[in-house]
Amino acid sequence: QKEVEQDPGPLSVPEGAIVSLNCTYSNSAFQYFMWYRQYSRKGPELLMYTYSSGNKEDGRFTAQVDKSSKYISLFIRDSQPSDSATYLCAMIAAGQGAQKLVFGQGTRLTINP
Amino acid sequence: DAGVTQSPTHLIKTRGQQVTLRCSPKSGHDTVSWYQQALGQGPQFIFQYYEEEERQRGNFPDRFSGHQFPNYSSELNVNALLLGDSALYLCASSRRETMNTEAFFGQGTRLTVV
Repeated sequence: QKEVEQDPGPLSVPEGAIVSLNCTYSNSAFQYFMWYRQYSRKGPELLMYTYSSGNKEDGRFTAQVDKSSKYISLFIRDSQPSDSATYLCAMIAAGQGAQKLVFGQGTRLTINP
Repeated sequence: DAGVTQSPTHLIKTRGQQVTLRCSPKSGHDTVSWYQQALGQGPQFIFQYYEEEERQRGNFPDRFSGHQFPNYSSELNVNALLLGDSALYLCASSRRETMNTEAFFGQGTRLTVV
């Protein structure tokens, strides 16, 4: 079983829709949760970072962490064609030296005009 | 600020050869990590360098080695290339105290082994 599971999609929605992207994980030591956006032939770009449980909002993006369920989500409101990309969740376990990012497989998202 | 820069952007090598990939971190960053991203997969952690030493390593064979220089730039070396080593190799830089939560990635080096 992978430490981080993410539905690879692809996911296709109309412009303006609310998008929900999700990841589940098995390692209870994960304390830091990130969402990255990766355009084709580019490196991942950090969107949001959340520590432990709770919500965090940044413009049209909202990240949620539910540690009791080992489940994280990214919501995109008023989705735009420019949001079309692969979205990667990533996690870091707490502990000395444990700084590696553990990624999900990525969800490929297309926003249709 | 140029961000994280990697070179070369593309590379084609033959099985059995050796390859060196290079990374310059974002200004102010002291930690460099390398990741391998196969097509359709998320990046997989190879190793991390800080203060010119390998600090953490993922599940990659010894054919994968690296180096960090005093100016924080880094190299990834892969010996005895296999077809399965074909992937996008990503370098990420960060400041040690941020625990890698604000890692910035380069555009990657696409390695094709034939």
